[in-house]
Amino acid sequence: GDSVTQMEGPVTLSEEAFLTINCTYTATGYPSLFWYVQYPGEGLQLLLKATKADDKGSNKGFEATYRKETTSFHLEKGSVQVSDSAVYFCALSLSSNDYKLSFGAGTTVTVRA
Amino acid sequence: DTAVSQTPKYLVTQMGNDKSIKCEQNLGHDTMYWYKQDSKKFLKIMFSYNNKELIINETVPNRFSPKSPDKAHLNLHINSLELGDSAVYFCASSQDRQANLTFGAGSRLTVL
Repeated sequence: GDSVTQMEGPVTLSEEAFLTINCTYTATGYPSLFWYVQYPGEGLQLLLKATKADDKGSNKGFEATYRKETTSFHLEKGSVQVSDSAVYFCALSLSSNDYKLSFGAGTTVTVRA
Repeated sequence: DTAVSQTPKYLVTQMGNDKSIKCEQNLGHDTMYWYKQDSKKFLKIMFSYNNKELIINETVPNRFSPKSPDKAHLNLHINSLELGDSAVYFCASSQDRQANLTFGAGSRLTVL
């Protein structure tokens, strides 16, 4: 079935470090890909998205590129801040599946000052 | 104004009880969802309504019954609560069936 696999956490970093969270997908068609972020005690928020191959989504200094050849959508940020501490979810949706979002297991990121 | 609001935020109850969680969105979206997040943060969709019509009904015990009185509201009623129902339940909404979801802050249910 359609699914995403993301790197297991938790990930602990120092401020200004480089962050990468790997995400790969399995899909029977051409999915749209998303990164959602969940800050402590809150609901999920859409961080960025890409709807076709080679698209790059970006927001708040985060970037992810839709790579069809490697079926990947890795999330990166060049210099993290303490406020980036959160759980990050990779997700996909397919029009053939009623756009139902399939989430990865989430990666907990903690940034230390 | 909160875009997607759910009540209550916390709910502690005994096994066997019946409880409801309410959700309202003021975004004018057509589609609403219930997700369950377990203790390991894993998120699973339970139900989705589009303009009051049930469009997604995952494998969920029939003790769970969603109700959408209008497209701005989607409530979740749970009968005969079990220990395994303890989780955080998130309501979300989106325009049409696009996957850009706006989530509520969650309702943490604890069954004792």
